[in-house]
Amino acid sequence: GAGVSQTPSNKVTEKGKYVELRCDPISGHTALYWYRQSLGQGPEFLIYFQGTGAADDSGLPNDRFFAVRPEGSVSTLKIQRTERGDSAVYLCASSLTGTGGYTFGSGTRLTVV
Amino acid sequence: QKEVEQNSGPLSVPEGAIASLNCTYSDRVSQSFFWYRQYSGKSPELIMSIYSNGDKEDGRFTAQLNKASQYVSLLIRDSQPSDSATYLCAVNRRSGTASKLTFGTGTRLQVTL
Repeated sequence: GAGVSQTPSNKVTEKGKYVELRCDPISGHTALYWYRQSLGQGPEFLIYFQGTGAADDSGLPNDRFFAVRPEGSVSTLKIQRTERGDSAVYLCASSLTGTGGYTFGSGTRLTVV
Repeated sequence: QKEVEQNSGPLSVPEGAIASLNCTYSDRVSQSFFWYRQYSGKSPELIMSIYSNGDKEDGRFTAQLNKASQYVSLLIRDSQPSDSATYLCAVNRRSGTASKLTFGTGTRLQVTL
């Protein structure tokens, strides 16, 4: 596609529920990143994929968070047993291998009530 | 000590003036540096990247890097009201390969009429 697409744009869920956030990167971009951003903060790294594999998942806060990219394109970030502290904007970005600058999607605003 | 530090602002400059945004980083092995602009409620947008010591100019924007002082800055000449946004500094330990960025908390810039 022309840009990085994230769905849904907004998600409200109850504490304890499971959620999935989807990211469709720019066509041909092999690297895909997930970040989350809380109000007044910069984006915080979660995980990045090079192709189908997670090249660095050091930013995942705990085992409730998991992400996949089974075919090397679309990625899904999965959060189990959501907590109110998970509320944030979840940003996906993609880049060509060999370049440092990312293109971000418009984000998914997750609210856990 | 935070890995990437920015003054949160707001930095207020009159229209037509030069806005100077500063960023310091703690990891001496950092190789590549980026400035992102983020409008309220929107996702970050890459505006400048710099990899070598010195200045890099692109239109009204100039990025400056001093690795010895671990300092990177962004100058915006002829500031316009449309430049009012939060500017995020981001640092990568690698150059030329995909890897995670570490972001500062951003500096809010207000350009006044």
